[in-house]
Amino acid sequence: ILNVEQSPQSLHVQEGDSTNFTCSFPSSNFYALHWYRWETAKSPEALFVMTLNGDEKKKGRISATLNTKEGYSYLYIKGSQPEDSATYLCAPVDDKIIFGKGTRLHILP
Amino acid sequence: GAGVSQSPRYKVAKRGQDVALRCDPISGHVSLFWYQQALGQGPEFLTYFQNEAQLDKSGLPSDRFFAERPEGSVSTLKIQRTQQEDSAVYLCASSLAHGRTEAFFGQGTRLTVV
Repeated sequence: ILNVEQSPQSLHVQEGDSTNFTCSFPSSNFYALHWYRWETAKSPEALFVMTLNGDEKKKGRISATLNTKEGYSYLYIKGSQPEDSATYLCAPVDDKIIFGKGTRLHILP
Repeated sequence: GAGVSQSPRYKVAKRGQDVALRCDPISGHVSLFWYQQALGQGPEFLTYFQNEAQLDKSGLPSDRFFAERPEGSVSTLKIQRTQQEDSAVYLCASSLAHGRTEAFFGQGTRLTVV
C-alpha cells in the first residue's frame, strides 16, 4: 500500500504572499506523481504529472518539484490570489493512483 | 461526450437497498478508477480497470461492493444491502494510459443512505 502524507493539512495565507506545501511518499517502486487542484463542489483537476527525479514543472504562478530518491514533492504558489483557495491533492502512482488527504488552502483577502 | 460522465448525480437509498452507479469514461481511455470520498476527506481508492480487466479491487470496503466494466468502456459500481456508512461521494476517473497521464474526473455521485 502506498502511504502518502501531505502537510500541512490546512493553511491560511494572506493574499499576495507566496506559499508552499509538501507531499511525502515511499521512494521505492516510484512510477509517477500527480498534483490535482480540487475546488469546492467541483471535481479534481490535474495540475502536473511528474515522472523524473529533479523534474520541475510550472503553470502560471504555480510550480512543483520532485525528488524521487528521498520521496517528496513540493508545490509552490507565488503571489497567492483568492482563486487559489482550494484543496491540493498529491497522488503518487505505483500500479494505481493513490491520493493523499490534501492540503486545504485558504487565501485571506 | 467530452468528459467523464457519472449518473445519477444524487442518490438517496434506504438502508438495505441495492444501488448501481454508472460511469461513462472519456472515449478511448484505457484506465478507469473508482474512488470514495467521505466528507472533508480526499478521494480513497476503491478499484481500477485497464480496459475490461479489473486489475485491483483492494480498496473495496466489503464484499457488498462490486464493480464491472464488461466491454472496456462504461463501468458500474454496485453496492448491495447499503449501510449508512456507505454514504459518500463516489468519483470515477479515466486516463489514456495508466499513471503517466493525468486522470480526468466525473462530477461524482453523492449517495445518501437513510
